[in-house]
Amino acid sequence: GESVGLHLPTLSVQEGDNSIINCAYSNSASDYFIWYKQESGKGPQFIIDIRSNMDKRQGQRVTVLLNKTVKHLSLQIAATQPGDSAVYFCAENTRGAQKLVFGQGTRLTINP
Amino acid sequence: DGGITQSPKYLFRKEGQNVTLSCEQNLNHDAMYWYRQDPGQGLRLIYYSQIVNDFQKGDIAEGYSVSREKKESFPLTVTSAQKNPTAFYLCASSIRVFLEQYFGPGTRLTVT
Repeated sequence: GESVGLHLPTLSVQEGDNSIINCAYSNSASDYFIWYKQESGKGPQFIIDIRSNMDKRQGQRVTVLLNKTVKHLSLQIAATQPGDSAVYFCAENTRGAQKLVFGQGTRLTINP
Repeated sequence: DGGITQSPKYLFRKEGQNVTLSCEQNLNHDAMYWYRQDPGQGLRLIYYSQIVNDFQKGDIAEGYSVSREKKESFPLTVTSAQKNPTAFYLCASSIRVFLEQYFGPGTRLTVT
């Protein structure tokens, strides 16, 4: 399949371990954040979102943490499975900015 | 099935030719977007449309054109003026502009 990023940061984890993917955002006025998963050759898939009035949100096997003080967002994946192998993007939206700004992405690889 | 379709998955053109990429959604979303993805970079916004018969330039609109004559459809034309058209093109839609966006499977365009 096609590579969506040749020089992406990479995180390797053992199958069954928890994964933590980090994202630093630049705009302190950003008030809405999304995590996407993109498998090779496919379009990004929505995972979870969070608004700036929250610092934590949980989904199925995923948790997003938001630290506005240091402008940091993280995605935690519990009990990582082979199907979690993908590139993960964070995106931020600033009210009034009329766009989503996407990060470069992190490639997650799972070791059996 | 509800979703976003893009066609074709792979497209090859000679330099100097215009080419139109198709994007259709049956999610009843008002907003639609076109992004370009290059290796090692995040998604970059080409054009977006908040409503039928209206569209706005994104960050890299030069060399591209769009139309939004129907709510379901948002085709992108890559013109011969686009200096580096070879890329992976992604279409997305959302209920309201720049909230949770759903992506299509993408079209990989190669211009030689």
